[in-house]
Amino acid sequence: KAGVTQTPRYLIKTRGQQVTLSCSPISGHRSVSWYQQTPGQGLQFLFEYFSETQRNKGNFPGRFSGRQFSNSRSEMNVSTLELGDSALYLCASSSGQATYEQYFGPGTRLTVT
Amino acid sequence: KNEVEQSPQNLTAQEGEFITINCSYSVGISALHWLQQHPGGGIVSLFMLSSGKKKHGRLIATINIQEKHSSLHITASHPRDSAVYICAVEDSSARQLTFGSGTQLTVLP
Repeated sequence: KAGVTQTPRYLIKTRGQQVTLSCSPISGHRSVSWYQQTPGQGLQFLFEYFSETQRNKGNFPGRFSGRQFSNSRSEMNVSTLELGDSALYLCASSSGQATYEQYFGPGTRLTVT
Repeated sequence: KNEVEQSPQNLTAQEGEFITINCSYSVGISALHWLQQHPGGGIVSLFMLSSGKKKHGRLIATINIQEKHSSLHITASHPRDSAVYICAVEDSSARQLTFGSGTQLTVLP
C-alpha cells in the first residue's frame, strides 16, 4: 500500500495570507489527524477527522480549520497567517477503528515571512 | 507541569551500547506510543502499547500503568539508530495524542 502523502512539501507565505495543505491517507484508512511541530512547542495535536466529521480538536485558534472528503483525503487551512505559524505540519492516518496506531506523512514545511 | 516528561533530552552513545529512554505521564491514558523522527521530519511509529512489554528487533518498549511510566530500550545500538525518539500518550477520554519533548539520540561509530 502507498503511504500517507502530503502536498506541498514546502511552502513560503507572507503574513496575513492564507494557506491550504493537503493529506491523502493510506487506502482504507478513514481517520486523519493533523499535528503542528515547532522548535519551541514540539508536536501538538490540531484536529482529527473521521468519515468527514471532526472528531477531536486541539487547543488552537479558529484560524486553523480542516475538512475531510468522502475519499478520506483531508485538507487543513490556516487563515491570516502569523510568523508563529511557521512550522512542520504533519498528518497521520489510522483505520479509525479500535486501534489508533498512526501512520505519518512526510510533512509540509511552512515558512511565514 | 507538562503532561508527558521524557528523559534524557539528549543522549550520546557508542555503537553497541544498551540505551534506555524514559517517559513519565500524569494523565489517564488508553495507550502510549513511541515514535522515531529522522532529520527531515519523517515520523515512524515504533510501538503502541497499553500494558506490559513489546519487542521488535533490537527495540523493546515497556509500560507500567500503575507507575505511569514507560521505557524504550535499544540493544546493540547502531549509528542508524540516531534520531529523535518521542513518547506520546493517548488520552483515555479523547482520541488525541499528547507528546513529550523528545530525546535526541546520537550513536557514534
